Amino acid sequence: ETGVTQTPRHLVMGMTNKKSLKCEQHLGHNAMYWYKQSAKKPLELMFVYSLEERVENNSVPSRFSPECPNSSHLFLHLHTLQPEDSALYLCASSPGQGGGYEQYFGPGTRLTVT
Amino acid sequence: SQQGEEDPQALSIQEGENATMNCSYKTSINNLQWYRQNSGRGLVHLILIRSNEREKHSGRLRVTLDTSKKSSSLLITASRAADTASYFCATDKDSSYKLIFGSGTRLLVRP
Repeated sequence: ETGVTQTPRHLVMGMTNKKSLKCEQHLGHNAMYWYKQSAKKPLELMFVYSLEERVENNSVPSRFSPECPNSSHLFLHLHTLQPEDSALYLCASSPGQGGGYEQYFGPGTRLTVT
Repeated sequence: SQQGEEDPQALSIQEGENATMNCSYKTSINNLQWYRQNSGRGLVHLILIRSNEREKHSGRLRVTLDTSKKSSSLLITASRAADTASYFCATDKDSSYKLIFGSGTRLLVRP
């Protein structure tokens, strides 16, 4: 248990659906991250929030829409996804922003787009 | 482009043996971190080493950093079956506020 929870753990959605992934951290951290992990590819950083402000949008398609209503919660809203978006989506948090802080990861949401 | 590259891609050893994984990177860094991931799960932080440090230990783990060669190694001593996982290095670039992960080394420890 890392103190970072993600729901749902598994999600199957059609290309026309709209769904949301939720992440919650109970660690009092200031930075939160969304990563995408596809088979045989390195972990890809999608979004970074620091003190509820988005500081990084790593050329992510607009069909992925993040939301950070407060420093403990992070959402990833999904709509009109493509089959290639099927992957493990990981949320992480860290005490501060930057490579000098260790990141705490949630268990991930396994997303399948049909 | 990818910053960290782990080597080997896969490693199979007998329980009790030592496992060594290497990470090479391309640009100067401030920090390098190692993470472990069990199959289909989230990553777990192992060790953070700063650019002015050469070696760090944590239990059975030893990490070295050679900034002149732009490389790091992770040594797991007296391996156990529970060490079976993928291991990733992650680096920041200069003053970057984000980590860039490598593709990982898949370690199998045979009982």
